[in-house]
Amino acid sequence: GDSVTQMEGPVTLSEEAFLTINCTYTATGYPSLFWYVQYPGEGLQLLLKATKADDKGSNKGFEATYRKETTSFHLEKGSVQVSDSAVYFCALNIDGGYQKVTFGIGTKLQVIP
Amino acid sequence: DAGVTQSPTHLIKTRGQQVTLRCSPKSGHDTVSWYQQALGQGPQFIFQYYEEEERQRGNFPDRFSGHQFPNYSSELNVNALLLGDSALYLCASSSGGGSSYNEQFFGPGTRLTVL
Repeated sequence: GDSVTQMEGPVTLSEEAFLTINCTYTATGYPSLFWYVQYPGEGLQLLLKATKADDKGSNKGFEATYRKETTSFHLEKGSVQVSDSAVYFCALNIDGGYQKVTFGIGTKLQVIP
Repeated sequence: DAGVTQSPTHLIKTRGQQVTLRCSPKSGHDTVSWYQQALGQGPQFIFQYYEEEERQRGNFPDRFSGHQFPNYSSELNVNALLLGDSALYLCASSSGGGSSYNEQFFGPGTRLTVL
């Protein structure tokens, strides 16, 4: 079945450090890929997405590139801020799948001043 | 414009009881999906409702059932509660209901504790 594997946290970084959160996937079919973020006390929010190979999703300084050859969708940010502290979920959805989204386990990021 | 709202915020039940959780979708949305998020885990898809019918279902037993009303709001019912049903239950709404992906907007969730 479809699945998403992402690095387990927590990840602790100093402000302005470079962030990478690894994500790989297994899917039957041709998935769309997403990163969702869950800030403390808030609901899940879509951070970025990519719908086909080599697409780069970007938002709020975060980027991720859809790599079909390595089945990966790693999240990166060049300089993290304290306000980026949250749980990040990698996820996928199979085209035509009526929006059933498969999530990874989540990676907690803590940014310290 | 209110986003997705869920009620109640927190709920405590005992094993064997039944529970009903409620969701109002974002204005203009007609499709509602439910997810279960156990502590320290990612959300797992339970089912989706569109046009008052269950559209797709994840790997959950029949104890989990739902309903969608004509105003697009939805309920999630869980019967014969087990300790393992303790989780954050998320509702997500979207528009279209078709095969193409439309962004889902998530509510803050209902925290269910089963004792």
